[in-house]
Amino acid sequence: GAVVSQHPSWVICKSGTSVKIECRSLDFQATTMFWYRQFPKQSLMLMATSNEGSKATYEQGVEKDKFLINHASLTLSTLTVTSAHPEDSSFYICSARQAGETQYFGPGTRLLVL
Amino acid sequence: AQSVTQLDSQVPVFEEAPVELRCNYSSSVSVYLFWYVQYPNQGLQLLLKYLSGSTLVKGINGFEAEFNKSQTSFHLRKPSVHISDTAEYFCAVINAGNNRKLIWGLGTSLAVNP
Repeated sequence: GAVVSQHPSWVICKSGTSVKIECRSLDFQATTMFWYRQFPKQSLMLMATSNEGSKATYEQGVEKDKFLINHASLTLSTLTVTSAHPEDSSFYICSARQAGETQYFGPGTRLLVL
Repeated sequence: AQSVTQLDSQVPVFEEAPVELRCNYSSSVSVYLFWYVQYPNQGLQLLLKYLSGSTLVKGINGFEAEFNKSQTSFHLRKPSVHISDTAEYFCAVINAGNNRKLIWGLGTSLAVNP
């Protein structure tokens, strides 16, 4: 149980385009989902926390207009990187939490912006 | 401020040898503690967690960890490692007073050599 999927697993796009990443909890309902960014050989950096049906809470320094988060249902959250630029290239990982304290992570999405 | 320190950035070890990955945290309130493993180009998988109860926690893949409140530590151990244990290991803490966000260590790269 507690499986989280992400789609796509990797994406290459041109600078200036927008990219949408989906995060799904497959066998449980996630009241809260988290979006992280990870640079090579580094730990995870929390970008935002989203609760179903409400606006996401962004961490300091994360542009909310740049990284649009939607959590429309208890099993789906999306992250849209708008007008992507090469510096947005990274590994994006989502996690989902049900009622307890444990976060379950997706497999990640590698984004490369050319 | 809460923090998590993983004392070793890299741990090389020979196959079938025991290993200990160290983790210390700073917090003035109750905490929940987690160890996650990340295999190359993948998301994070929960190894084990301490929420309450017995301070010795057993996880998947033969790993265990012991919560030591007086030393504010949560070291991860395995009595005999395999090549397949080669991965990045992250210690993380949830502080009862920080709106349940995970505070991450910088990770320990475990390299198991034949």
